[in-house]
Amino acid sequence: GENVEQHPSTLSVQEGDSAVIKCTYSDSASNYFPWYKQELGKRPQLIIDIRSNVGEKKDQRIAVTLNKTAKHFSLHITETQPEDSAVYFCAANFGNEKLTFGTGTRLTIIP
Amino acid sequence: NAGVMQNPRHLVRRRGQEARLRCSPMKGHSHVYWYRQLPEEGLKFMVYLQKENIIDESGMPKERFSAEFPKEGPSILRIQQVVRGDSAAYFCASSPNSRGEQYFGPGTRLTVT
Repeated sequence: GENVEQHPSTLSVQEGDSAVIKCTYSDSASNYFPWYKQELGKRPQLIIDIRSNVGEKKDQRIAVTLNKTAKHFSLHITETQPEDSAVYFCAANFGNEKLTFGTGTRLTIIP
Repeated sequence: NAGVMQNPRHLVRRRGQEARLRCSPMKGHSHVYWYRQLPEEGLKFMVYLQKENIIDESGMPKERFSAEFPKEGPSILRIQQVVRGDSAAYFCASSPNSRGEQYFGPGTRLTVT
């Protein structure tokens, strides 16, 4: 079935250190993998995405890597700052347009 | 370019009443998706629509829930005879095409008393 698993569910990181969140997906036909950041009471915001023809994509302090063979992808945040504290969701499409989301990672940056 | 708009932002309904949630996609976007988010949980797909067509409603309960995206006007998610379990945040997202990024609206927080 259509399934996206996300780990860890909570993550605390010292300010300035790196944070890594990992997701696995079930369908090898998936070809689009976005990451969303959601602050408390706010809308999910698209922060970065990757398509299956690319192995890595970077945007300033944020990067995403994709391993199609292993069916997993990861979000990397470097030089973390307090404003990075939020819940992060990975997602994957399953050969169609709808997205299936992971269960979220609550990231806390410790000043 | 205004983002995805949703209204109302907060909606309180008594059990048995109807809830109507509206979503106006970003300008130039003709694909609309509705998701439901329970407290402390992820987003669950409900329905995907294009203008005047429901493309995929596999995530929407068969009873009491319906959605439309008319030729003119916003997309509407309608919940009839609401129950307490319908209390959640309902987000819509829009995309310019079927392969495009999905951008979310601010959500409608439905509370059923």
